[in-house]
Amino acid sequence: KNQVEQSPQSLIILEGKNCTLQCNYTVSPFSNLRWYKQDTGRGPVSLTIMTFSENTKSNGRYTATLDADTKQSSLHITASQLSDSASYICVVSLGTASKLTFGTGTRLQVTL
Amino acid sequence: NAGVTQTPKFQVLKTGQSMTLQCAQDMNHEYMSWYRQDPGMGLRLIHYSVGAGITDQGEVPNGYNVSRSTTEDFPLRLLSAAPSQTSVYFCASRSTTGVGSPLHFGNGTRLTVT
Repeated sequence: KNQVEQSPQSLIILEGKNCTLQCNYTVSPFSNLRWYKQDTGRGPVSLTIMTFSENTKSNGRYTATLDADTKQSSLHITASQLSDSASYICVVSLGTASKLTFGTGTRLQVTL
Repeated sequence: NAGVTQTPKFQVLKTGQSMTLQCAQDMNHEYMSWYRQDPGMGLRLIHYSVGAGITDQGEVPNGYNVSRSTTEDFPLRLLSAAPSQTSVYFCASRSTTGVGSPLHFGNGTRLTVT
């Protein structure tokens, strides 16, 4: 069964600190992996996308990595800000938008 | 551009009532879809459409109907609401040109069925 597992389930960090969120998947055949940010009460917004051949992709303070051999991805947030408080969802695609497998997300809280 | 607009934002229904969740997008996206989001679970696909007049079932279609008469609109109908349909519903659209185009989500409708 295609699955996407994220860890930790929740995380609290101090403003200015770095953090790394993990995503492990068993989806096959793999097409691409995308990270979304979901603010409370809002819909998810795409942060990065990586295909099979890409190892790293950055979007400002967000850096995603992908190891297709071990089927693992991580999202690293540098110098966290209060506005980074949100849920981060890992989504793996089988090739079409109708064949997406969503992780349950990591809820990040950034505090003063 | 407004993006993807969902209405209403909140709704409370009694068991057996019917209602329609509205979704509209102004990005001329061919692909539109409905998801439900429940605590502790990933987003699950209910129905999707790859163009006007074309719809198909997703992972959890039972109890829901859709239609796509225009490119812009993709309403989701609950014919006879059940407490198990209490959830947050998201509409999403994407372009079908280019590889891996991102989904653009609305801000959701929080539905409670009592």
